[in-house]
Amino acid sequence: DQQVKQNSPSLSVQEGRISILNCDYTNSMFDYFLWYKKYPAEGPTFLISISSIKDKNEDGRFTVFLNKSAKHLSLHIVPSQPGDSAVYFCAARGLNTCTASKLTFGTGTRLQVTL
Amino acid sequence: DSGVTQTPKHLITATGQRVTLRCSPRSGDLSVYWYQQSLDQGLQFLIQYYNGEERAKGNILERFSAQQFPDLHSELNLSSLELGDSALYFCASSAALGNQPQHFGDGTRLSIL
Repeated sequence: DQQVKQNSPSLSVQEGRISILNCDYTNSMFDYFLWYKKYPAEGPTFLISISSIKDKNEDGRFTVFLNKSAKHLSLHIVPSQPGDSAVYFCAARGLNTCTASKLTFGTGTRLQVTL
Repeated sequence: DSGVTQTPKHLITATGQRVTLRCSPRSGDLSVYWYQQSLDQGLQFLIQYYNGEERAKGNILERFSAQQFPDLHSELNLSSLELGDSALYFCASSAALGNQPQHFGDGTRLSIL
C-alpha cells in the first residue's frame, strides 16, 4: 500500500526554467510533509517542509505547495540549476507524538537539469 | 554534512551471517530512526528510538533488532541474513519536539553474497 506516490520517475528541465515535482498521498492523517534531495552515494538531504495547516512555504528558490483537499503537494524550483540534478523524495509524517514519529517516503523523482 | 555518522559505509557478507550497523546522531538529537532502501525503492521505515527507548516500529523483520545506548548512538543488528536483505540502510536523527525534519547519514550499503 503506497501511501505516498511520486508518479513521475524522472523529469528533465532546462537550466533557468522552473522544475515542478509532484507528490500525492492517500492518508488524511499525515500532518507534516517534507522534500529531500539525494545525490548518489549520499544520504537524503532535507530541503523544505510544510505543515498541514499551511498551503505554501518558500525558502529561496524552493517553494512547496500543499493542497489538502486534493491530497497533493508539489515542489517548485525556480530557477533550476545544474546542481539541482538529483533524486527528490517526498515524505509525509503520520504517527506523531512528542517523542514518536515516522516518515513515509515516495519512490522518488530523478530531476535532470540540462544546460 | 548532516552531522549523522554511519559506519561502516559498505558491508559484504554471506547468507546466514549476522552484522551490526552503527549510527551516531547529530549532537543534541535524542531520536534515532532506521530506514531501509532496496533497489529503486523509497525509504522504508524500520524503527525509531528516543532517548534509549523504542518509540515506533515499522515493517521490521523479526531477524532485525536495534537499540539505542546511553550515549545516544544506535546499532541495527541484522541476523540470519538472506539475499533479499541487500539494501542501503539509513539512519536519521531529529530533535523530538515540534515539526523538526529528520537528518540522514550517508547510509551503509549491505551486500549479501
